[in-house]
Amino acid sequence: KQEVTQIPAALSVPEGENLVLNCSFTDSAIYNLQWFRQDPGKGLTSLLLIQSSQREQTSGRLNASLDKSSGRSTLYIAASQPGDSATYLCAVLGAAGNKLTFGGGTRVLVKP
Amino acid sequence: KAGVTQTPRYLIKTRGQQVTLSCSPISGHRSVSWYQQTPGQGLQFLFEYFSETQRNKGNFPGRFSGRQFSNSRSEMNVSTLELGDSALYLCASSLNAANNEQFFGPGTRLTVL
Repeated sequence: KQEVTQIPAALSVPEGENLVLNCSFTDSAIYNLQWFRQDPGKGLTSLLLIQSSQREQTSGRLNASLDKSSGRSTLYIAASQPGDSATYLCAVLGAAGNKLTFGGGTRVLVKP
Repeated sequence: KAGVTQTPRYLIKTRGQQVTLSCSPISGHRSVSWYQQTPGQGLQFLFEYFSETQRNKGNFPGRFSGRQFSNSRSEMNVSTLELGDSALYLCASSLNAANNEQFFGPGTRLTVL
C-alpha cells in the first residue's frame, strides 16, 4: 500500500527566503507525482506534474525534482512571498487508474 | 476554458439524511474522481469514474456511492449521514483514463449536525 509523507508539517520563513518542501513515498512504482497548493477552505490548485520518467519540472519560481528510486520529491520555491502562504500537498499516481495518494501536506507561512 | 465546477458549495444536513453532490469536469475530460478531505484523515480517495463506469473505489462504506452521466458530469451520494461524514468533498477531472494531470474543483463543504 502506497504511503506518502510530507515533512515538516508546518514551516515559517521570512519573505525572500527560499522554500524547500519534502515529499517521500514508499512504493516507487508510480506513473507521476503532482504538487498542489491549497488555500484555507478552498480546492487544490495544481502546481507541477512530474512524470515518472522525468527528473525535474520547472514553472516560474517553482522547481520540483523527483528521485523515483529513493521515493523522494522536493519542491523548491525561490524568493518566497507572503502570497505563497498556503498548504502544499504532494500526491502520487500509482498503477490503479487515476487514484492519487496524498501526503498530509506542509503548511507554509511566509512572514513579511 | 472553464474549470471544474462543484455544486452546491456548502451543505448542512442532519444525521440520517442523505445528500447528493454534483461535479462538472473540464470540457473534454472524461475521468472524474472524488476525494474526501478531513482534518484528521487528510485527503482520501473515494472513487473514480470513466465513461460512466466506476474504475476504482476507495475504502469507504457502501453508504458512499456515485455515478457518471454520458456528458461526463458526475454525482456522488451519501446515505444515512453520520457526524463523521462532515468534510470537504473534492472532485477532480482528468482527460482520460491514462495517468493524466488532475484538476480539482473548489469542493463542497458538508456539515452534518
